[in-house]
Amino acid sequence: GAVVSQHPSRVICKSGTSVKIECRSLDFQATTMFWYRQFPKKSLMLMATSNEGSKATYEQGVEKDKFLINHASLTLSTLTVTSAHPEDSSFYICSAPRPQGGGTEAFFGQGTRLTVV
Amino acid sequence: AQSVAQPEDQVNVAEGNPLTVKCTYSVSGNPYLFWYVQYPNRGLQFLLKYITGDNLVKGSYGFEAEFNKSQTSFHLKKPSALVSDSALYFCAVTRNQAGTALIFGKGTTLSVSS
Repeated sequence: GAVVSQHPSRVICKSGTSVKIECRSLDFQATTMFWYRQFPKKSLMLMATSNEGSKATYEQGVEKDKFLINHASLTLSTLTVTSAHPEDSSFYICSAPRPQGGGTEAFFGQGTRLTVV
Repeated sequence: AQSVAQPEDQVNVAEGNPLTVKCTYSVSGNPYLFWYVQYPNRGLQFLLKYITGDNLVKGSYGFEAEFNKSQTSFHLKKPSALVSDSALYFCAVTRNQAGTALIFGKGTTLSVSS
């Protein structure tokens, strides 16, 4: 079946540095991918919609200059957390819908645990 | 705006007993409803969905959910719980009918004791 692969699964970085998280659709093309953030014991919050070949669409309150999203190909979206700070520490999860579109389930990556020290 | 509510932070059941994890929704138009499960430090796994048709939806791992339009509910159920079912469960609705961005409930932790 379709799989979404997210890398790395865990990363620790120093404050002020940038971290890139990759999300790949392994056996299907995804013109759209979604990035979520999950706080401890909290629900997943949609951060942005990644669109292949165009700019990402950010949710209200999400800093687009802090969380850079690039969807350079039909199988890869990246999220770069720039100038990371401890408050950016979180679990980040990407997802991609089945190619058929609305009403279909999404496939989720394994998630990335980011710790900023 | 679309939203889902999961009124219980935690559900505790004994192995072999039936389980129910509650979800209510608020949507404009016809809802596309989903249940996902998350194990520690892992992504989400799809369990089941309701788009249209039969109100009782059967999904993975023996789970099922009943869509109740009058009560705007979509409760997750399983006749006989397993210890391995212990995880975090999310109810979700698509933000709009054409899209696939999901709006999640806050999650319910299911704990099944042996």
